[in-house]
Parts: sequence; C-alpha cells; structure tokens
Amino acid sequence: AQKITQTQPGMFVQEKEAVTLDCTYDTSDQSYGLFWYKQPSSGEMIFLIYQGSYDEQNATEGRYSLNFQKARKSANLVISASQLGDSAMYFCAMRPSVNQFYFGTGTSLTVIP
Amino acid sequence: NAGVTQTPKFRVLKTGQSMTLLCAQDMNHEYMYWYRQDPGMGLRLIHYSVGEGTTAKGEVPDGYNVSRLKKQNFLLGLESAAPSQTSVYFCASSPWNEQFFGPGTRLTVL
Repeated sequence: AQKITQTQPGMFVQEKEAVTLDCTYDTSDQSYGLFWYKQPSSGEMIFLIYQGSYDEQNATEGRYSLNFQKARKSANLVISASQLGDSAMYFCAMRPSVNQFYFGTGTSLTVIP
Repeated sequence: NAGVTQTPKFRVLKTGQSMTLLCAQDMNHEYMYWYRQDPGMGLRLIHYSVGEGTTAKGEVPDGYNVSRLKKQNFLLGLESAAPSQTSVYFCASSPWNEQFFGPGTRLTVL
C-alpha cells in the first residue's frame, strides 16, 4: 500500500526559530520521490523541496531542508529561521514508481511573532 | 508562460446539474492530474492522464469523468452534481517528478 502520514495537525513556532514537520511514508517500491508543498491561506500549492529515494544527501532549498531517513521511512521538513510568511499548511507527498502522487493530510504551521 | 490555468475559479451548482472544469498547461507536460481537497483530508486524486488520449482512475473517481483530447488540456466533468462534490478542485501537470498546480476551482453544490 502507498501511504503518507502527517501526524501533526497543527504546529506553532516562534519567529526566527527552526521547526520540524513530520512525514512518514509507506511504499514497497525501491524508486520513489518525496515532496513538500506549502499552501498559504490564499490557496495555491507551492512546491518547496524534493528528495529522490536514491539520493544519499538530504535535499536543501534555502531555509528548507528535508531530513530523509530511508530505513525509518521518514521525510521530515525542517524550516530554519521561521518567518511570519511561513504560516501556512504544509503537505508531504510521495510519488512511487506508478504515475500517481499520494498526499498527507497536512500540517498547519503558525509562526508567532 | 501561464503555467497551469483552471477555468472557472468559482462555481455554484444545484444538485443534478452538470459542468466541466477545464485545466490547461503550456509546459508541454505529459502527465496531468485532477485532485479534490477537502478539510482535514489533504489532496485526493480523482483521475489522471499519462499522455494525450489516455486517462486513468485515481483514488476517488466516482461521479467524475475526464478527457484529454489535446496534450495541453485536461477536462473534468461532473454529469450529475451532488452536495458531496462540494470541494476545491486542483489540476496539476508534471513532466515526471515535480507537479505544477493550477490555482484551484471552488465548487459548491447546493
């Protein structure tokens, strides 16, 4: 079965602090991709970061990094130096070898000034 | 480039009415997807296409039909709308990995 699990419905973080959003996945495929998307209150889906299952290094994109632990099947998003504009819903997604993407239920992040 | 566009942005239907949502992409992507987003449930795949003339069912296909007659367009149809189809609908296109999303269509079925 292909599944993405995000267990944190809501998270709070102080401005300028780092925060980790959890994501675990389940797939029997050897080749797969992991993604994080941000959805601000305006509704659009914004791509943040990608990690391939064969990538040995953790992906980084500016203040975003993906903590990929393959044996534990986790792909946590780390946001460093949080900003007020980071307040949004965050979705973890997986693309296994089939042509479909699977999304988690999302985590709502609120950055506190 | 416009990226991925969706028409319309908002729509209100009565139960039993039909409508078609249009998704267009100008990036020459092979893969296109239709999702629905409901509170607390993330995005769920309705139908997808791996190329012109092909379509396949996703996780929640019942009550919807799709067509991909041209590579750049992916249409989602509701033949007889039901209140359970009230949702935000997102279209996405993909060259393989990363998905590019449209702005969404907010549909209300009364």
